[in-house]
Amino acid sequence: GQSLEQPSEVTAVEGAIVQINCTYQTSGFYGLSWYQQHDGGAPTFLSYNALDGLEETGRFSSFLSRSDSYGYLLLQELQMKDSASYFCAAVSGSARQLTFGSGTQLTVLP
Amino acid sequence: NAGVTQTPKFQVLKTGQSMTLQCAQDMNHEYMSWYRQDPGMGLRLIHYSVGAGITDQGEVPNGYNVSRSTTEDFPLRLLSAAPSQTSVYFCASTGGSGTGELFFGEGSRLTVL
Repeated sequence: GQSLEQPSEVTAVEGAIVQINCTYQTSGFYGLSWYQQHDGGAPTFLSYNALDGLEETGRFSSFLSRSDSYGYLLLQELQMKDSASYFCAAVSGSARQLTFGSGTQLTVLP
Repeated sequence: NAGVTQTPKFQVLKTGQSMTLQCAQDMNHEYMSWYRQDPGMGLRLIHYSVGAGITDQGEVPNGYNVSRSTTEDFPLRLLSAAPSQTSVYFCASTGGSGTGELFFGEGSRLTVL
């Protein structure tokens, strides 16, 4: 089967940098996606890594190491609005379906 | 620019009742899927479809039925609701470009008593 592991909670202060790790065990793996979800809202797409290395999108960056079955999401210059749940998701299979981790609740303190 | 639209947003059912959650997208996406999300857990795939007339099971398909008669619509049917199906349900679609980007609806919160 497919499984992804990520920390359940992370706390940081405004302006800081935080890294959310994700390890996966997935057959037919194509890539790793990251999603943000605010309380009561729908998940929204942040980034996708199909190849090893770092992808940067503004304050957010995502990294993938296929050999280590590991990735992370890096959030810089944290803002209060970044308080949310963050999910990694493995893309796999012929239909490129996504399997999600259990999520990391990020709390940004003033 | 509607994107993915789910109805209803909230529903309360009694055990044994049946109902259909509606999902429609206006982006001409081939791939559509249904997920459920329970407290403290990630999203679990129920069923998915790669195009009209084609559906397949995900991780947790039992108790649910789907069909895909058009590209736009992908309804999820609960055949005989059980309290274990109390959850938030999300419909999602993607154009199949392989970018790992799903577009989600706003969710349907279902309570089964």
